[in-house]
Formats: sequence, C-alpha cells, structure tokens
Amino acid sequence: QVHLVQSGAEVKKPGASVKLSCKASGNTFSTYPIHWVRQAPGQGLEWMGWINTANGNTKYSQRIQGRVTITRDTAENTAYMELSSLRSEDTGVYFCARGRVGYEHWGQGTLVTVSS
Amino acid sequence: YELTQPSSLSVSPGQTATITCSGEDLGKKFTCWYQQKPGQSPVLVIYQDNKRPSGIPERFSGSSSGNTATLTVSGTQAMDEADYYCQAWDNSLSVVFGGGTKLTVL
Repeated sequence: QVHLVQSGAEVKKPGASVKLSCKASGNTFSTYPIHWVRQAPGQGLEWMGWINTANGNTKYSQRIQGRVTITRDTAENTAYMELSSLRSEDTGVYFCARGRVGYEHWGQGTLVTVSS
Repeated sequence: YELTQPSSLSVSPGQTATITCSGEDLGKKFTCWYQQKPGQSPVLVIYQDNKRPSGIPERFSGSSSGNTATLTVSGTQAMDEADYYCQAWDNSLSVVFGGGTKLTVL
C-alpha cells in the first residue's frame, strides 16, 4: 500500500514563497507521476501540476504557471511543490496525489495560510 | 477545458442519486469521480468512466456518453453524504476537475 506523507502547516506573508513536501512510502516512487491539487476554504479542488517522477518532466496549470515549481528527489522518494509570490487567495489545503488510473492515493493535506 | 457539475443534490435515504458532469466530448475521455467528506482527503470512487476501485461499494456506478459523465449512487445511505468531483484530462495533458456537487442525504 502506498502512503503519501506531507509536510506540516505553513503560515506565510503575502509576497513570500512556500515549499511543501510529499514523501512516498515503498519502492514505487518512480513508477507513477505525482500531482499537486489545492483547495481553498469552502471551495472545490484545483489541479496545480504534476511531475514525472522518473525523468523530472513537469506540467503546470496555466492559471498559476510562472509561480509554481514542482521538483522531486528520487533518493528521498519525495516530491516538492514551491509556490512563489503568495497572495491571500493562495490560502488553503494543498494535497499531493498519485495513482495508475486516477488519484488512488492522496496525502493528508497541508494547510497554507497567507496573511499579513 | 471545463467540466460542469450541479452545485448540490438532495436525496432521501434509499433513493438513487445521479450526479452529472458535462464537458465537450467528455465521452471521448476517461472520467474519474472522487468523494470528499469534510476535513478529509478525497477518495477515488470511479475510474475510467465506470470502474470501481477495490473497497468501493457496488452502489457506486458510473457511465459516460457524448458530453456527459454520470455518477450514480443506488440505495443512497447517510454515509454517502459528501462532496463529489469529476475529473478528466484535457488535450494538453492537464487535469481538470469539475466544480463539485454537494450530496445531501435528508
């Protein structure tokens, strides 16, 4: 069974950056891509981007492209998502997810609060 | 690419809940459905339009044709009360979610 464990909650000021981590258990890290999905308070799911964990190729949502960077460390079985130029609208829960036919596995979510 | 869902749906226990998801030529793509309860991570309940992951009750089923994918919950139970999201891939390898449907079991 795959488990995705995410880093802890963050509080950031507007204009700052945040870098979140997502560590996968087991030895299948490079088998499937890892995606990042966020959810503003009381709102729906928003896809942010994904990384091919085997070769590091990435694809980002056009809505936030330019502010988001997804990387991975295969030695640590960990994916990272960095979001820059934070604004209040970036407040929410950030999830990592992966799977073969859909998002079968999700992290527990990381709350990011952007406030002055 | 956009996916459109009704914002809410109410059913009585034991009734059938039908949640739709509309998008251009959605029937030509694979659709997934996720269930999310308050304070929890989403759970995959349907993949590839109509397949159930292991552990998902048989009362959850899916179909897709034309511009619409449908999630059906037969014999709805109180525990099925949740938000449901459809998800597909667009032609540029980006992922799209529907806006979500809040299912209330009265």
